[in-house]
Amino acid sequence: GENVEQHPSTLSVQEGDSAVIKCTYSDSASNYFPWYKQELGKGPQLIIDIRSNVGEKKDQRIAVTLNKTAKHFSLHITETQPEDSAVYFCAASRGTALIFGKGTTLSVSS
Amino acid sequence: ETGVTQTPRHLVMGMTNKKSLKCEQHLGHNAMYWYKQSAKKPLELMFVYNFKEQTENNSVPSRFSPECPNSSHLFLHLHTLQPEDSALYLCASSQDPGGAGYNEQFFGPGTRLTVL
Repeated sequence: GENVEQHPSTLSVQEGDSAVIKCTYSDSASNYFPWYKQELGKGPQLIIDIRSNVGEKKDQRIAVTLNKTAKHFSLHITETQPEDSAVYFCAASRGTALIFGKGTTLSVSS
Repeated sequence: ETGVTQTPRHLVMGMTNKKSLKCEQHLGHNAMYWYKQSAKKPLELMFVYNFKEQTENNSVPSRFSPECPNSSHLFLHLHTLQPEDSALYLCASSQDPGGAGYNEQFFGPGTRLTVL
């Protein structure tokens, strides 16, 4: 079945630096790749997503890139702020379901 | 109420108890999902309901019993659970997972379950 690997598991950056989180997936049929942010005590919230017919998508400080040939996709956060501190999950579609990575705990220190 | 709501937010139960988790979505979506979130593990998909019909059961033990009376409500009935079932249980909904492309899943805040 589909397997999604996410790295790193923890990431610490200084405010203003960039953060990059990478994921790989195994199912070549996957065609939708969302990224979720989960803050303490809350459910995951979608922050950006990309479909397989697009290589890159950007929304203000957040961008996602997709390499279908290599089966990997990445989240880029520029000019990080303390409020970006949270757990970030990548996911890949498998039919009508989403398969999630293990998550990355991002800490942004001021 | 807006979005996806879950009750209760916290639940402590003994292994012989029977309890139910409730999820309600106010988004007019057609699909609903149960996920289990344990520490140090990915979100695990448990069940998928599409137009009230169960379309996926991800090898979940029978001590977890889902119920979807309509497209807006989803329940997870719990009985004779084990301590290792302690986790955050998340509900999500999406508009139309069988449609063109794939639609965003909206998550509720979760129910923190502790089994003693």
